[in-house]
Amino acid sequence: AQKVTQAQTEISVVEKEDVTLDCVYETRDTTYYLFWYKQPPSGELVFLIRRNSFDEQNEISGRYSWNFQKSTSSFNFTITASQVVDSAVYFCALSEGQAGTALIFGKGTTLSVSS
Amino acid sequence: DSGVTQTPKHLITATGQRVTLRCSPRSGDLSVYWYQQSLDQGLQFLIQYYNGEERAKGNILERFSAQQFPDLHSELNLSSLELGDSALYFCASSVDSLGRGEQYFGPGTRLTVT
Repeated sequence: AQKVTQAQTEISVVEKEDVTLDCVYETRDTTYYLFWYKQPPSGELVFLIRRNSFDEQNEISGRYSWNFQKSTSSFNFTITASQVVDSAVYFCALSEGQAGTALIFGKGTTLSVSS
Repeated sequence: DSGVTQTPKHLITATGQRVTLRCSPRSGDLSVYWYQQSLDQGLQFLIQYYNGEERAKGNILERFSAQQFPDLHSELNLSSLELGDSALYFCASSVDSLGRGEQYFGPGTRLTVT
């Protein structure tokens, strides 16, 4: 069965620090899709990135970067030079991309960035 | 703004009552998903519709039902409400029907059952 584990429940950093949010997934399928979403205090869920299981290239988008390692079943998210606006709950999610499946979310990591 | 709209934003009702939550997907998206977010259960998938047909069911209670209309908007009906049904209910839409593409979430409906 598929599962997503975000072991870090809460992380607190000071502005300009780098922070990495961990995500470990379990799936029996060879084809699957991984996602990160951000939920700021206002409550909406904002899509950040999608990665399929055949693409292990790391991705960088501004201060955000993602490290996908199939060997360790991890899809970690790093924020460089964190800012107060990065304070939010971050969710990692998995989909097996088959009929009858949807997003399986981790429990989320609450990131607090102080000035 | 994700392009997905949900109404109402907040809903307060009593136990035993029935409510309807409404969702309009992004233009061009045929798939609609419903999720429930609560403190104890986290984000849980309830049900998916694609172009008017039910495609997948998650942990949806029998007291809950949904449908997707020809104009692609969807409604989630919650009946015989219990205190434990208090949660944030999200609708998401996607172009893809198989969960391969990103899902865009609406702002959610916060349901409080008293």
